[in-house]
Amino acid sequence: DSGVTQTPKHLITATGQRVTLRCSPRSGDLSVYWYQQSLDQGLQFLIQYYNGEERAKGNILERFSAQQFPDLHSELNLSSLELGDSALYFCASSVVAPGALYNEQFFGPGTRLTVL
Amino acid sequence: GEDVEQSLFLSVREGDSSVINCTYTDSSSTYLYWYKQEPGAGLQLLTYIFSNMDMKQDQRLTVLLNKKDKHLSLRIADTQTGDSAIYFCAASREGRRALTFGSGTRLQVQP
Repeated sequence: DSGVTQTPKHLITATGQRVTLRCSPRSGDLSVYWYQQSLDQGLQFLIQYYNGEERAKGNILERFSAQQFPDLHSELNLSSLELGDSALYFCASSVVAPGALYNEQFFGPGTRLTVL
Repeated sequence: GEDVEQSLFLSVREGDSSVINCTYTDSSSTYLYWYKQEPGAGLQLLTYIFSNMDMKQDQRLTVLLNKKDKHLSLRIADTQTGDSAIYFCAASREGRRALTFGSGTRLQVQP
């Protein structure tokens, strides 16, 4: 158990809908990262938050957004869903500040999103 | 940007050694990591190596780094069926905020 929790575990929805994925980082970790894992794209970095502020963006679509709340949990919002958004979405947390040399990230179990 | 590549599949017999290879493009990569993903689970950090090291050993795991060739390998000695999983290498660089992951190597251990 990494100490990172994600809910829900599975999500099935229809195209055009909007969903929210939730992540609680390990106690004490200020950085939260979101990744998307799909068969054709592999593991792609989406976005990072550090202590409530967005710090880095990766391959995140404009239809997707995220935020980190004062209690450090984070939510990833996916809207106008398309079939191609079906994937595993992972959250990871880290205690190090952005840009640190060593960046050990602890991953949650993931949320499997299926768009029908 | 950084690119990390791995072979997709490796099959070994139980008790043999497994060697999973990875190449990366960014010579500024400072830390290189190996993660393991078991079916239905998230990624678990197995080990890491700092770029000024050539080798790191941790029980059954040996990481070799050839910085000149930008080549990283993970050797698992006495491979067990419980080692069957997908193994990801990842790289980080000072000032870069996220890890860059390879596509993962699926290790299948035959009994």
